[in-house]
Amino acid sequence: DGGITQSPKYLFRKEGQNVTLSCEQNLNHDAMYWYRQDPGQGLRLIYYSQIVNDFQKGDIAEGYSVSREKKESFPLTVTSAQKNPTAFYLCASSTTGGSVEKLFFGSGTQLSVL
Amino acid sequence: GQQVMQIPQYQHVQEGEDFTTYCNSSTTLSNIQWYKQRPGGHPVFLIQLVKSGEVKKQKRLTFQFGEAKKNSSLHITATQTTDVGTYFCAGPDTGTASKLTFGTGTRLQVTL
Repeated sequence: DGGITQSPKYLFRKEGQNVTLSCEQNLNHDAMYWYRQDPGQGLRLIYYSQIVNDFQKGDIAEGYSVSREKKESFPLTVTSAQKNPTAFYLCASSTTGGSVEKLFFGSGTQLSVL
Repeated sequence: GQQVMQIPQYQHVQEGEDFTTYCNSSTTLSNIQWYKQRPGGHPVFLIQLVKSGEVKKQKRLTFQFGEAKKNSSLHITATQTTDVGTYFCAGPDTGTASKLTFGTGTRLQVTL
């Protein structure tokens, strides 16, 4: 069954801790994206990758890092430098990154600060 | 930077009433996409509009792309409780078409 899998569904971070959110897709899509959603808000782009071993900053990249070592995987690390990390994190993919079309989203990870 | 605004922010209707959300971009868009996010869920793609003045229908949903390609609307006829959720429009960033800028969203609540 093709799709995007995000894990964990819920994650808690202690102050000063780095945490990594997983995103895996088996759709054979070239492009992958990370969005942050705050309660009652729209989606803001953190990082995106159009091809393996390459990625670009989005609108709110500070305090986050990513890697794209495999086509199917695009993990997001929320570092201790991100002072307000509590949010719903959504991973998405699309067939091509050249001119982004339909995005397929994972079911999201809710990150909270202890 | 590019901004995409939606109005209203929230609307509460009774089942059977119509609903419309409007999307306005600060820049001309090559295309506009619409997504629906159910409460507690993730956004799901509904449709993409590409041509100036384009109108597309999906059952009770009618999507329109403005002549200047800077605005769009989604109209739902005779709402049902299954229409509950937040509707987002999204358009390619003017700097690079490789990323989408999402609108602020309109949350629809439908009651019997």
